[in-house]
Amino acid sequence: QKEVEQDPGPLSVPEGAIVSLNCTYSNSAFQYFMWYRQYSRKGPELLMYTYSSGNKEDGRFTAQVDKSSKYISLFIRDSQPSDSATYLCAMSAYSGTYKYIFGTGTRLKVLA
Amino acid sequence: EAQVTQNPRYLITVTGKKLTVTCSQNMNHEYMSWYRQDPGLGLRQIYYSMNVEVTDKGDVPEGYKVSRKEKRNFPLILESPSPNQTSLYFCASSFPSGGPGELFFGEGSRLTVL
Repeated sequence: QKEVEQDPGPLSVPEGAIVSLNCTYSNSAFQYFMWYRQYSRKGPELLMYTYSSGNKEDGRFTAQVDKSSKYISLFIRDSQPSDSATYLCAMSAYSGTYKYIFGTGTRLKVLA
Repeated sequence: EAQVTQNPRYLITVTGKKLTVTCSQNMNHEYMSWYRQDPGLGLRQIYYSMNVEVTDKGDVPEGYKVSRKEKRNFPLILESPSPNQTSLYFCASSFPSGGPGELFFGEGSRLTVL
C-alpha cells in the first residue's frame, strides 16, 4: 500500500463547475498537507499549505484536512480553463528532517 | 526573480556516458532536493541536502550522486546512466522554518538514456 493514494484521473469538467480533488494517506504522523499545481512541461508550484486538521480558503480554492479519516481534499469553485493542470497532494512529517511524500497527481481538464 | 534553475532541460544520452544535471537557486535556501517523476509513480525523492556539505539519500538513490559544495548549487550526477534512469527530473529548494516550508521547483530536466 502506498503512503499516499491519489486518483490519477483524468477528470474533465465544464467551465464553472466545482471540482473536488482528494487524497488518502496511511501515515498518522503527517502534520503538514500541501497541494501543488503542475502545468504541462513545468515544475510543480505550491497552491495551498495547511497544518493539521481543518479548512483553509484562498480565493476560489479551499483545502480540507480530516486527520481522523486520513483524507485531504482540494475544492476549486467556478473552475476556469486556466485551472487545467495536474494537481499533486503532498504531505510531510518531521523525523530528523522534513520529508515530503507526494501523491501521483490528478490530471484535471476544464472545458470552455 | 526568485527561481530554481536546472540545466539541461532536455538531454538524450547513451548508456554509460557520465552526465551532470546542474541546479542553482537564488533564494538562499538551506534545503535542496532532487526528484524524479515517472507516470503512475509520481514524484520520488533521489537525494536531499539540509545544508552545505550535508547530503542524504532519499527513496531512490541508486545510480545517482550529489554534492553540495555551495549553498546555491546542488548538481545531480549520473556516473553510468542506464535506460531505467530515463525520467523527468526536478530540483527543488525550501527554507524550513517551524515546518517543511514551501518547495520551489525548477522547470524540470527530461532525460532519455538509450
